[in-house]
Amino acid sequence: IAGITQAPTSQILAAGRRMTLRCTQDMRHNAMYWYRQDLGLGLRLIHYSNTAGTTGKGEVPDGYSVSRANTDDFPLTLASAVPSQTSVYFCAAGEGHTDTQYFGPGTRLTVL
Amino acid sequence: GESVGLHLPTLSVQEGDNSIINCAYSNSASDYFIWYKQESGKGPQFIIDIRSNMDKRQGQRVTVLLNKTVKHLSLQIAATQPGDSAVYFCAENSGGSNYKLTFGKGTLLTVNP
Repeated sequence: IAGITQAPTSQILAAGRRMTLRCTQDMRHNAMYWYRQDLGLGLRLIHYSNTAGTTGKGEVPDGYSVSRANTDDFPLTLASAVPSQTSVYFCAAGEGHTDTQYFGPGTRLTVL
Repeated sequence: GESVGLHLPTLSVQEGDNSIINCAYSNSASDYFIWYKQESGKGPQFIIDIRSNMDKRQGQRVTVLLNKTVKHLSLQIAATQPGDSAVYFCAENSGGSNYKLTFGKGTLLTVNP
């Protein structure tokens, strides 16, 4: 069982380009999340989805969009990347507010 | 807003010693807490969790203590090993229908052989 997979592992992107980070789970959890992790700031929630077909904004949603067409996939899109979006991005999945979240291995994104 | 913080940003211990990592939380409505371990270049890994109706929970070599009176959470690691070297951070959920967790910034644990 893979758990949560993310792709790509790392990416260097020119500013202004569009980029989609992929996340897939095989645990069938209802809720999925996207975080960014920056030195000194910890994990910050970008967007989340409580169940397929619904999404919500987290702490730092600007410049990002998500979709949740099915239970397993939760892609994160940067419509026009900017250097401040350089970060490590983690996808997570969980079953509810009294359940833990399980994390993927992360995508390291550099925007030049 | 509510926040989760850590008392010590770094902790260095000798192999075989016990480690204690602390976390303070400010939301008295939080009803669920998790400890994660994050090794360099990897995603956070679940270690242990505890619900607010408990004071203590034990796992394999790890114990989590919850003191709701002073809103304090600790992670104890017994017989610390070099493989325990990582960043440890706590997370809390403030209850209700909110599925979101609030994460602390982490403590770096270094185990010296």
